[in-house]
Amino acid sequence: GQNIDQPTEMTATEGAIVQINCTYQTSGFNGLFWYQQHAGEAPTFLSYNVLDGLEEKGRFSSFLSRSKGYSYLLLKELQMKDSASYLCAVTDSNYQLIWGAGTKLIIKP
Amino acid sequence: GAVVSQHPSRVICKSGTSVKIECRSLDFQATTMFWYRQFPKQSLMLMATSNEGSKATYEQGVEKDKFLINHASLTLSTLTVTSAHPEDSSFYICSAPGLAEASEQFFGPGTRLTVL
Repeated sequence: GQNIDQPTEMTATEGAIVQINCTYQTSGFNGLFWYQQHAGEAPTFLSYNVLDGLEEKGRFSSFLSRSKGYSYLLLKELQMKDSASYLCAVTDSNYQLIWGAGTKLIIKP
Repeated sequence: GAVVSQHPSRVICKSGTSVKIECRSLDFQATTMFWYRQFPKQSLMLMATSNEGSKATYEQGVEKDKFLINHASLTLSTLTVTSAHPEDSSFYICSAPGLAEASEQFFGPGTRLTVL
């Protein structure tokens, strides 16, 4: 079956760095997405990785290792507004989007 | 970037009534749209894939006669929750993919449905 695993909840301190991991087992791979979702709102796109390596975009970076079925989202200089759920999603060989359950990130002052 | 709208953003209805939710792609055409449901503190659950000009594809366990989907044009898909019950209360979100096959999904803002 297809499976995406990510931690249910993480806590970090304002100004610090946090890494949210995602491991996946899917039938084929055509890219991995990270989305941010604030409570009561729709997800917003953060990043897309299809090749191995690190993609940096401001305070957020996303890493992919296809051989390990592994990705992480790195958030630097955490701000209170970064408190949200972070969703990992993988596009499989049929271009179906498989969603992880999301990681709720709690930022403390 | 591409914009997807949803209407209404919030609806409260009585048990047994039907509710229609509209999803529109505002500045691009979408032959495919996706409908998700999200219960509190849970992740997105794909309900169905809406295909313009043909029948929707429903995920396992989703009743097609209860959740009617119509994709009549390249910019509009509708989801009708028929004979709604309190357990149908949820956050319903639609999305449309970009042009490339593996492109990001553009999400609508969601519709909060409360069935009394």
